[in-house]
Amino acid sequence: KNEVEQSPQNLTAQEGEFITINCSYSVGISALHWLQQHPGGGIVSLFMLSSGKKKHGRLIATINIQEKHSSLHITASHPRDSAVYICAVSQNKLIFGTGTLLAVQP
Amino acid sequence: KAGVTQTPRYLIKTRGQQVTLSCSPISGHRSVSWYQQTPGQGLQFLFEYFSETQRNKGNFPGRFSGRQFSNSRSEMNVSTLELGDSALYLCASGTDDTQYFGPGTRLTVL
Repeated sequence: KNEVEQSPQNLTAQEGEFITINCSYSVGISALHWLQQHPGGGIVSLFMLSSGKKKHGRLIATINIQEKHSSLHITASHPRDSAVYICAVSQNKLIFGTGTLLAVQP
Repeated sequence: KAGVTQTPRYLIKTRGQQVTLSCSPISGHRSVSWYQQTPGQGLQFLFEYFSETQRNKGNFPGRFSGRQFSNSRSEMNVSTLELGDSALYLCASGTDDTQYFGPGTRLTVL
């Protein structure tokens, strides 16, 4: 079993929809990261969380330390949000989930 | 500030050769981490350097090595290349709050 599990693996949404991507982990962590990777490889760090909730524009990330679970929400989704979203946990090193491929159709 | 830069961006090698990849972190960042991304295994941590010292190491064979220079630039070396080493190699520099990723070096081993 992977130490970091993401769901769903693939997600197709219509423009404007509210999107949720989930991440569960089974190890002790110091922080959790949400990353975005566009075709071509470039990775952008969206959030680093150790507790509670963070918001940046249309993106919201939450974490429940007791349940070892985090969610990434995208409000009013747009085709430019199409990318792979990766959850990673910090445990002296980053341990990555397998990613969620999001396609937002116009 | 300039972002994290990696050179070269693309590289083709043959089995048995060795390769050196370079990473220049964001100015002022002392931590540099390296990652391997493959379709089968996803993203995996290789190693982290801080102030010229290896601080953490992932589960990769000894063919994978790295170093960091006094200006925080880092190199990673892979010796005796295998077909399975074909991957996107990413480096990231960071602070305690976040990691900034470079564009990656795409290595193809033939």
